[in-house]
Amino acid sequence: GAVVSQHPSWVICKSGTSVKIECRSLDFQATTMFWYRQFPKKSLMLMATSNEGSKATYEQGVEKDKFLINHASLTLSTLTVTSAHPEDSSFYICSAREPSGPTHEQYFGPGTRLTVT
Amino acid sequence: GNSVTQMEGPVTLSEEAFLTINCTYTATGYPSLFWYVQYPGEGLQLLLKATKADDKGSNKGFEATYRKETTSFHLEKGSVQVSDSAVYFCALKTGGAGNMLTFGGGTRLMVKP
Repeated sequence: GAVVSQHPSWVICKSGTSVKIECRSLDFQATTMFWYRQFPKKSLMLMATSNEGSKATYEQGVEKDKFLINHASLTLSTLTVTSAHPEDSSFYICSAREPSGPTHEQYFGPGTRLTVT
Repeated sequence: GNSVTQMEGPVTLSEEAFLTINCTYTATGYPSLFWYVQYPGEGLQLLLKATKADDKGSNKGFEATYRKETTSFHLEKGSVQVSDSAVYFCALKTGGAGNMLTFGGGTRLMVKP
C-alpha cells in the first residue's frame, strides 16, 4: 500500500525559533497533500491544502505567514512553523492523495509532535 | 455543509465484548464514508470504507454499513481485543478530486483484559 512518511517524528524547539516538518509520499506521486493539526484528545483540524507547484490554500483562521507550506515536488511537502510559541505545540499530521483512482484515496503520515518551550 | 457526529468516548470494554461506535453524517451530494484508526502516538490509518448506500466496509473484524436512510455509518466488531484500543474517527468525502475529508470528533476505545 501507499506509504507517507514524516520527519521528524517529534521535535522540541525554543520559543521564537522556526521548525520545519517534512512530508513525503514514498511510493507514489502526490499532486495534493494536506496538513492537519490535532490537539490533545481532539479531532483533526485541516490547516491547508498543498498543491505541487502552486501556493497552498489555507483554511479560515490559519495564519499563512506563520505556517509556511512548500510543495516543491510531487513527493515532498514541507510545513515550517515560524517564530514558534508554546501554543503552537501540537501533533501535526500530513496526508497525501493519490492523483488518480475512483476515490482519490488519502494516505496519512505518522505525525510529528511539536513541543515549543 | 458537511459534518460528522460521533458518540463521545471514552468507550471502555472488556476483552471479547461487542463494540458499536455510532456515527451519523450530514452531507451534500452522495458521500463516501470512512473509518480511520489512530493508535497511540501514531497517525491515522484507514480501517474501512464504503462508497455508496448499502455497501458494507469490513477489515480486521470491524464492519460498518452505509445507511443512507438514517445517514449513519456505525462501526461494529463482534469481539474486541486489547490491541484494538485506539481512537476511531468517522469521516466523509463528497465529490471527486477537489474535496477533502471531513472528520468526526473521534471516539477513544479502551479495551481491558
